Amino acid sequence: DGGITQSPKYLFRKEGQNVTLSCEQNLNHDAMYWYRQDPGQGLRLIYYSQIVNDFQKGDIAEGYSVSREKKESFPLTVTSAQKNPTAFYLCASRRGLAENNEQFFGPGTRLTVL
Amino acid sequence: AQSVSQHNHHVILSEAASLELGCNYSYGGTVNLFWYVQYPGQHLQLLLKYFSGDPLVKGIKGFEAEFIKSKFSFNLRKPSVQWSDTAEYFCAVTTNAGNNRKLIWGLGTSLAVNP
Repeated sequence: DGGITQSPKYLFRKEGQNVTLSCEQNLNHDAMYWYRQDPGQGLRLIYYSQIVNDFQKGDIAEGYSVSREKKESFPLTVTSAQKNPTAFYLCASRRGLAENNEQFFGPGTRLTVL
Repeated sequence: AQSVSQHNHHVILSEAASLELGCNYSYGGTVNLFWYVQYPGQHLQLLLKYFSGDPLVKGIKGFEAEFIKSKFSFNLRKPSVQWSDTAEYFCAVTTNAGNNRKLIWGLGTSLAVNP
């Protein structure tokens, strides 16, 4: 059963702590993405990766970091430098690099920083 | 800069009413257009997409959208909504400009269908 998994579903952290969100896909997709979803603001792109060992900043990369050491994995670290980290985080992947290929989404992780 | 506008932020309808959600984009070249839906508690999923050919595209669950190039629009329609269509709907676009592989998203429209 192919898909994208994100864990955990809910995550709580104390202010000042770094936290890493997991994203794994078994779709053999080349590109992977991290978005942040806040009420009324749609989806905002944090980072994306088109191939292994390469990634680019999205529109709101400050305070976040990523790695892409394996094709199937694209973890996101929310650092203490992120000023407003409480949000719903979505991971997505896309087959190939053609612009008309759709993105597939994971179930999301809701991060709450206390 | 390229952008996507969804004109209706919140829509409330009764069952069997017709639906049209507006989506406009700002880019003069070739575009690929998508509508995604997020049902309560579920993954964001693709409703339909357009990249070439017939500008009227049909998607899942009876939804359709029409690409009107002269109006830079890709409005989503359904003739008769059901309670189960209650969800958030997002319009998104990619362009063939340069090396841009990113989806540009609208802010979303929250649809509530009353039984």
